[in-house]
Amino acid sequence: GDSVTQMEGPVTLSEEAFLTINCTYTATGYPSLFWYVQYPGEGLQLLLKATKADDKGSNKGFEATYRKETTSFHLEKGSVQVSDSAVYFCALSSGGYQKVTFGTGTKLQVIP
Amino acid sequence: NAGVTQTPKFQVLKTGQSMTLQCAQDMNHEYMSWYRQDPGMGLRLIHYSVGAGITDQGEVPNGYNVSRSTTEDFPLRLLSAAPSQTSVYFCASSYRPAGGTDTQYFGPGTRLTVL
Repeated sequence: GDSVTQMEGPVTLSEEAFLTINCTYTATGYPSLFWYVQYPGEGLQLLLKATKADDKGSNKGFEATYRKETTSFHLEKGSVQVSDSAVYFCALSSGGYQKVTFGTGTKLQVIP
Repeated sequence: NAGVTQTPKFQVLKTGQSMTLQCAQDMNHEYMSWYRQDPGMGLRLIHYSVGAGITDQGEVPNGYNVSRSTTEDFPLRLLSAAPSQTSVYFCASSYRPAGGTDTQYFGPGTRLTVL
């Protein structure tokens, strides 16, 4: 079945540091890939997505590139802010459109 | 628009009790889903609906029932609560399938504790 593996947290960075959160996947067919963010006490919000190989999703300074050859979708940001502190989830959907498979989440803490 | 709303925010139940978690959306979305979030396990799909009157099981449906009588509402029923159902529950909706090109919108969640 489909699965998503992402790096365990928590990840602690100083403000303005470079961020990478690794995500790899296993899927049948040709999945769509997503990054969701969950701020404390809130529901998930879609951060970015990519639907085909070599697509780059981007939003709020975050980027991720769909790499079919390495089955990866790593999240990056050049300079993190305290307000980026949250839990980040990598996810995919293949086959049954309504069935989205989530990773376990990576908590990011940015300190001033 | 209020988006996706969930009630209650918090609930404590005793083993064997039943209850309904409410979910409503005002965006005229056809697709709705219920997830549970547990530490170290991410989100898992419980049940979903692709329109009024149409529901289907997700990854972890046991112990839960759903129905979809209107486009707006998608309640989740716990028939006989068990400690294993202690979790945070999220409802989500989208205009088109969640895994496609559309955006899935999440509610703020219900934190349920079963003693």
